[in-house]
Amino acid sequence: SQKIEQNSEALNIQEGKTATLTCNYTNYSPAYLQWYRQDPGRGPVFLLLIRENEKEKRKERLKVTFDTTLKQSLFHITASQPADSATYLCALVSTGTASKLTFGTGTRLQVTL
Amino acid sequence: GAVVSQHPSWVICKSGTSVKIECRSLDFQATTMFWYRQFPKQSLMLMATSNEGSKATYEQGVEKDKFLINHASLTLSTLTVTSAHPEDSSFYICSARGNRGIQQPQHFGDGTRLSIL
Repeated sequence: SQKIEQNSEALNIQEGKTATLTCNYTNYSPAYLQWYRQDPGRGPVFLLLIRENEKEKRKERLKVTFDTTLKQSLFHITASQPADSATYLCALVSTGTASKLTFGTGTRLQVTL
Repeated sequence: GAVVSQHPSWVICKSGTSVKIECRSLDFQATTMFWYRQFPKQSLMLMATSNEGSKATYEQGVEKDKFLINHASLTLSTLTVTSAHPEDSSFYICSARGNRGIQQPQHFGDGTRLSIL
């Protein structure tokens, strides 16, 4: 069966450190992989999109890697700040699925002082 | 950046009531709009996809007569939960995408918290 798995346990890190979140998928052929941030009671906010033929994408303090052999994406936040505390969702657009975006369950990040 | 406005943000109503939720793209033309439902501590589950001027495509297990979707213009889609019951209580989120297809990100509204008593 198809799965998009993110660590369901919260990730707690200290301010200034790099946070690394993992997204693993099974039985998908993703054309695109996206990362979103969701705050409690709010809708997701788009962060980064990476294509199947790209290995890495950066935007300011954010970096996403995409390994289609390992079927894994890593999401890094460098120099993390308490304001980065949120739930981070990975989502796939798979080839042949009529452009539907399928979400993982998300990982809660807590950045402490 | 692109803005999607969803209204209302919060609804409490009695069982049997029909509830309409609006989703508007404020600064771009939304060729495709999506409706999701999210239960506590769970991921977003796609309910239906709608293209402007066409009938919505519903995901398996979603009752189209229960969840009526209208996408009459490039900036507005509505979801009507008909004869709502307590099990319909959830967080409903819309999203919109422009006309460059799947290579574009989706932009989400801030959701509607629906509570049916």
